[in-house]
Order: sequence, then structure tokens, then C-alpha cells
Amino acid sequence: ELKVEQNPLFLSMQEGKNYTIYCNYSTTSDRLYWYRQDPGKSLESLFVLLSNGAVKQEGRLMASLDTKARLSTLHITAAVHDLSATYFCAADIFGNEKLTFGTGTRLTIIP
Amino acid sequence: DTAVSQTPKYLVTQMGNDKSIKCEQNLGHDTMYWYKQDSKKFLKIMFSYNNKELIINETVPNRFSPKSPDKAHLNLHINSLELGDSAVYFCASRAGTVYNEQFFGPGTRLTVL
Repeated sequence: ELKVEQNPLFLSMQEGKNYTIYCNYSTTSDRLYWYRQDPGKSLESLFVLLSNGAVKQEGRLMASLDTKARLSTLHITAAVHDLSATYFCAADIFGNEKLTFGTGTRLTIIP
Repeated sequence: DTAVSQTPKYLVTQMGNDKSIKCEQNLGHDTMYWYKQDSKKFLKIMFSYNNKELIINETVPNRFSPKSPDKAHLNLHINSLELGDSAVYFCASRAGTVYNEQFFGPGTRLTVL
């Protein structure tokens, strides 16, 4: 059974700093996803990573995937307050089209 | 032009009641899902339908019954509501591409008193 773990669960950081959220998964996964959720809102898709070494960037967020280590990272560069949200990673396997989510990382950016 | 919509947004009800949540997507996707997000924000899949056929049922109590009248709609009916059913329920639909990206509805916050 696919299990997905994220850390840290909570992250409080100052504006302008860099930090990384880590996502480990337990078995071979074909796709890795990152979602953002604002309080009381829905989930917004940020990135979908398909292959080993994949890297995607959007603004101050960059996601990468290492399938050998079963690890994905979400790197935040020069954080700004607008990035405060809960970030989820999720994984699935071809042929079993359900997403298994990590526990989420609640990110708070302090001015 | 909302992609995935749910009604109602909020639902407050008494234990023992029966309630339904409706979901519609206008993306032309074949696959739809119900997820439950508990008070600790943990997200877990409940059901999935592909073109009106149930394909995933994640050991959800029989009190929960999904129904898909057509591939654009997936409703969730809950009988005999319990306190532990209080959560946010999200509907999602999936693009049939290699990316398998899922698009989520706004959520329905269910509170059982």
C-alpha cells in the first residue's frame, strides 16, 4: 500500500527566507503532485512530476522528484506572505487512479 | 464557468438525519471522486466513479452511498449521520491524460450536532 509522508507538519518562516518541504513515499509511484490549500478553500494544483529528476518551477516555488530516493521536495525561495497556506503532496500509481495524500505542511510566512 | 461545483457549501444537521451533497463538473472528465478532509486536514479518498461506474470504494461505512446519474455528476448521500461524519467533503474530477491531474470542487463543510 502506498504511503506518503510529509515534513515538517508546521513551518513558520520569515519573509525573504528560503525553505524546503519534504515528501517521502513508500513504494514505487508513477506521479507526484503538489497542491496548495488556503484556509477554508479548495485544493489548487501546483505541480505534477512524472519522471526521475523532474523539476518544475512557478514563481517562488520549485518542485523536484527523485524516484530512486522516493522523495519529492517543494522549495520556497525568498518567501512572501502570500505563500502562507497548507501544502500537500500526493502520489499515485498507473492503473490505480487514486491519490494518496501526505499529511500537509502548514506554512506561515511572518513579515 | 466553474469547473467543479458542489452544493451545499455548508451543511449543519442533527445526528441521525440523512443528507445529500451534490457535485457537478463541466470539464468533460470521465472520472470523479469524493474525498473526506478531517479536522486535522488529512485528506482521504472515499469513492471514485469512472463514466458512472464505481471503481474505488475505500472501506467507507454503508451509510455513505455515492450515485452517478451521468459522468458529469457524482452525488453523495449519507444516512443516519454520526458526529464523526463532521468534516469537509471534496468532490474532484480527473483529466484523462498521463498527468492524471485532479481538479477539486470548493468543498462542503458538514457539521453534525
